[in-house]
Formats: sequence, C-alpha cells, structure tokens
Amino acid sequence: QSVLTQPPSVSGAPGQRVTISCTGSSSNIGAGYVVHWYQQLPGTAPKLLIYSNSNRPSGVPDRFSASKSGTSASLAITGLQAEDEADYYCQSFDSSLSRIFGGGTKLTVL
Amino acid sequence: QVQLQQWGAGLLKPSETLSLTCAVYGASSSDYNWSWIRQPPGKGLEWIGEINHSGSTNYNPSLKSRVTISVDTSKNQFSLKLSSVTAADTAVYYCARPLKRPIRVAVTGGGGMDVWGQGTTVTVSS
Repeated sequence: QSVLTQPPSVSGAPGQRVTISCTGSSSNIGAGYVVHWYQQLPGTAPKLLIYSNSNRPSGVPDRFSASKSGTSASLAITGLQAEDEADYYCQSFDSSLSRIFGGGTKLTVL
Repeated sequence: QVQLQQWGAGLLKPSETLSLTCAVYGASSSDYNWSWIRQPPGKGLEWIGEINHSGSTNYNPSLKSRVTISVDTSKNQFSLKLSSVTAADTAVYYCARPLKRPIRVAVTGGGGMDVWGQGTTVTVSS
C-alpha cells in the first residue's frame, strides 16, 4: 500500500485529454513538499516528466502539465498520443525528507 | 551530458549482501546527491536511499537497518549495499541523480531525479 494513492489505470483515445491524480496527506503533499512525476515506458528506466510540482524538464512536450493543491497533485496529458502509453508515478517526501512514490498508473491509449 | 552506468551481481542467495555500483560520467560525484531506487517484478518504484554531496545519507526507514550507500569521489562512483537479502529484495535496481534545488527551498524536498542508470536486475534465490 503506497503512501501516495494513484488510480491503477486510466485510458483515453488519441487526441483526448487524461488526468492522473496523486492523493497524499497532511504529512507529505499537504505539508508543502514538492511533487515530481515520472514516466516509465515498458522495459525502460523511469524518466523525469515534471519536477517541483509543475515544471517541465527540457525536451518534455508541453502536452504534459501538472499541478498541486492541498494534499493532492495531478498530471494532465493533452493531445494523447500512442507513444504516451506508459506507467506514470508521482513522488513526494515525508517529514524526514524520505522520498515516497505513488503506486503508479498505467495509461492505455485506446 | 550526465550519464550513469551501473553494475553488480545479478544472482544472490538468501542472507547474502547485494552490492551495486554506479559510475558517474559528465559530472563530479562530489557535486550532487545520488539515489538508489528499486522496482520488484510487476510492481511500482521504491526509494531505497540517498547520499548528499557532503556524504550524509538518508534511507528508507523500512530498509535502513540493512542499507549502506557510499560515494567514492576518487573513482567518481557511488555504491549500494543491502545486507541479508531475501526473495523480497528481488527487483530491478536503479541509480539516479536528483536535480539540485536552491538551499532556501530544500526543506520542501529534493529535486526530481533527472538522470537514471540503465537498471540492474537482481534475483535472490536459493
């Protein structure tokens, strides 16, 4: 059971918009700790998608965006493409600055 | 461009010590924090621990009693040791580098991990 809760799966058709939620508590996200998001394509290492709540690393398309509010965070993907099919993980921190991950969400592009 | 190249024994027996090394290319190991993460087969990511540029460590409480992360600046490498392994430690292990964050915001957490090693599959079986 992960400390950060994500839906196990989401799906959408090409071109659509999908969102992935990451629900924490007052001990982690709600305490003001930043949230990072990772994309993991099958058989590969995770890739940093969003850092510090809402910032995109160089090279990440602006179709990907994220926000944080209260004890939750959310990743949005617009203009869904087949290549976006992957597992997505949120990550934040606890009071000892230990990193904690969400359980991951499998995105299926229909 | 920073790259991480990791290696280590892929097959261990229960009670043995897992030992992995991650070589840093394109950056100095003394300039950044360094992390280890693992992923059991078919499961999600689990953070193992991190060492900062000063050599201070922070470990996952659930693994703390068995984990040691160290840096060898002379070789520009950092390492993971996990003792007394069991089948539950079977996983793909990744090394990673977190982005730097300004000290004034460090209390809100470390940086996102923007550089990852290729992963090492470790199987624990008798």
